[in-house]
Amino acid sequence: AQSVTQPDIHITVSEGASLELRCNYSYGATPYLFWYVQSPGQGLQLLLKYFSGDTLVQGIKGFEAEFKRSQSSFNLRKPSVHWSDAAEYFCAVGKAAGNKLTFGGGTRVLVKP
Amino acid sequence: GAGVSQSPRYKVAKRGQDVALRCDPISGHVSLFWYQQALGQGPEFLTYFQNEAQLDKSGLPSDRFFAERPEGSVSTLKIQRTQQEDSAVYLCASSSETGKKPQHFGDGTRLSIL
Repeated sequence: AQSVTQPDIHITVSEGASLELRCNYSYGATPYLFWYVQSPGQGLQLLLKYFSGDTLVQGIKGFEAEFKRSQSSFNLRKPSVHWSDAAEYFCAVGKAAGNKLTFGGGTRVLVKP
Repeated sequence: GAGVSQSPRYKVAKRGQDVALRCDPISGHVSLFWYQQALGQGPEFLTYFQNEAQLDKSGLPSDRFFAERPEGSVSTLKIQRTQQEDSAVYLCASSSETGKKPQHFGDGTRLSIL
């Protein structure tokens, strides 16, 4: 069965500092990987996705993620965070783009001024 | 509409009551998913439709949960004889079957069982 682990429950960063959120997955085949962001009271917004090809993928809002098969990881990064990046971030894995997703427990990001 | 629409946004019910949650997917999206998100946790898969066919209901926690999509568009998630542990946010997502298209989520329905 597929699973996703996000080791950090909370992360606090200063505005302007860099951010990295960790994601490790367990899946028997080539995974489809996603990062979603959720603001309070809102649904999930897709930040970026990896299906195949270049292992460094660019997303919206200045985010990027790198797929490392050898480490079963798909970490999310942003070079300089903005106060509006404060939210909860979820990593997810699926068998295909339109297949059901398995989510990690999420990482809540707090941004200090 | 441009996105996935869910209604109501908030629902409060007494334990033992039946509730119905509605999802309007993006027009033309053939795939529709329901997820349950407990407080402080990630979403968990409940069920999946392709058009009107319910192809996977492995995530439904009990036979009190029932979902339908009779015309392949709007979907309803029904919970009978609600219990306190049913309190959660219920998220609906839809995706296009063509190409490598990811799921688009609605804002969810927050269900509180008293």
